Amino acid sequence: GENVEQHPSTLSVQEGDSAVIKCTYSDSASNYFPWYKQELGKRPQLIIDIRSNVGEKKDQRIAVTLNKTAKHFSLHITETQPEDSAVYFCAAINTDKLIFGTGTRLQVFP
Amino acid sequence: DTAVSQTPKYLVTQMGNDKSIKCEQNLGHDTMYWYKQDSKKFLKIMFSYNNKELIINETVPNRFSPKSPDKAHLNLHINSLELGDSAVYFCASSQLDQETQYFGPGTRLLVL
Repeated sequence: GENVEQHPSTLSVQEGDSAVIKCTYSDSASNYFPWYKQELGKRPQLIIDIRSNVGEKKDQRIAVTLNKTAKHFSLHITETQPEDSAVYFCAAINTDKLIFGTGTRLQVFP
Repeated sequence: DTAVSQTPKYLVTQMGNDKSIKCEQNLGHDTMYWYKQDSKKFLKIMFSYNNKELIINETVPNRFSPKSPDKAHLNLHINSLELGDSAVYFCASSQLDQETQYFGPGTRLLVL
């Protein structure tokens, strides 16, 4: 079955800096990779996703890159703001289920 | 106009009790899920239903029984609650089992 590893577990940055979160997956059949943001006490919310036929996707300050050969994908947040502070989860899906990484707690200090 | 809703939001109960959590989605999705998020924030799938049929049943104690009366509802019944069942339970739905999943607000279960 699929296994998703996520690093780092915590990340502290200064407002305006960039933040990068990395994930690796084990099953080469996985074909869909969403990223979720979870604020304290709230539900996970999709912020960006990428499919296996695409290498990079960008949405304003957020971008995701996918390296299928190495089986890893990354989330890049530029010009971080205090409201970006949350737990971020990567995930991978293949035939039938979404497997989540262990989460990264991002803190953006003003 | 809430997309995925769950009730109750909070549930505090004694060990050994039986409780249910309800989930409804108004997105017209075919697939619904239950996830458990423990105190370390790990999100793990428990069950998945597609059009009222069980398609994923992870290694979950049989004290947990999902029920889908129709494709817009997926309820979770838990028998003989244990301390280790304390967690946040999220319901989610998607159009197909490989598409974006939308989460409900979560039910915070505390077993005393």
